[in-house]
Amino acid sequence: DTAVSQTPKYLVTQMGNDKSIKCEQNLGHDTMYWYKQDSKKFLKIMFSYNNKELIINETVPNRFSPKSPDKAHLNLHINSLELGDSAVYFCASSQTDSYYGYTFGSGTRLTVV
Amino acid sequence: AQSVTQPDIHITVSEGASLELRCNYSYGATPYLFWYVQSPGQGLQLLLKYFSGDTLVQGIKGFEAEFKRSQSSFNLRKPSVHWSDAAEYFCAVGARSQGNLIFGKGTKLSVKP
Repeated sequence: DTAVSQTPKYLVTQMGNDKSIKCEQNLGHDTMYWYKQDSKKFLKIMFSYNNKELIINETVPNRFSPKSPDKAHLNLHINSLELGDSAVYFCASSQTDSYYGYTFGSGTRLTVV
Repeated sequence: AQSVTQPDIHITVSEGASLELRCNYSYGATPYLFWYVQSPGQGLQLLLKYFSGDTLVQGIKGFEAEFKRSQSSFNLRKPSVHWSDAAEYFCAVGARSQGNLIFGKGTKLSVKP
């Protein structure tokens, strides 16, 4: 049983397209996150949801829109994709208190051509 | 502002040699500290964490880390490195008052036969 699953694992698309990445966790965690990992491996928080409520919204272009239909799911929709959006996007989940650490998904490698 | 510094971008060690990866943090409150490992093409896996108590913590895969408050450090160690330890290692800091983790830029570990 995969604890945090992301789909798709790879996504190649043209500039200007709209795409979505889905994330699901079966750990019973109440907080979920999206992180972006750039080509230099730097991990940067994008969004965080706690029980379907947006609690962290870092400086991210508004072309990126997260949606959490329930606390087990957090999706990321990206409009008008740009070359600079190419990266690996990680979903993670945790209990509310970060003491427990995160459980990460295996990532979605997005390539915009 | 909170920050995590991993001074070494890339380290190469011989198989069987000892390893120490450095991590320094800047945080106003009592931090939670984590080490994660990322194998190529994979998500991040939690190696170990510290939040209070004994300053030497044991993790999975034979890793340990020592919290030194006076030096604001949380260095990761392993007495004998195996070829399968080659990966990217991330230090992260969090706190009870802050939901998200802040990650260092990572240290890439290469292992020579």
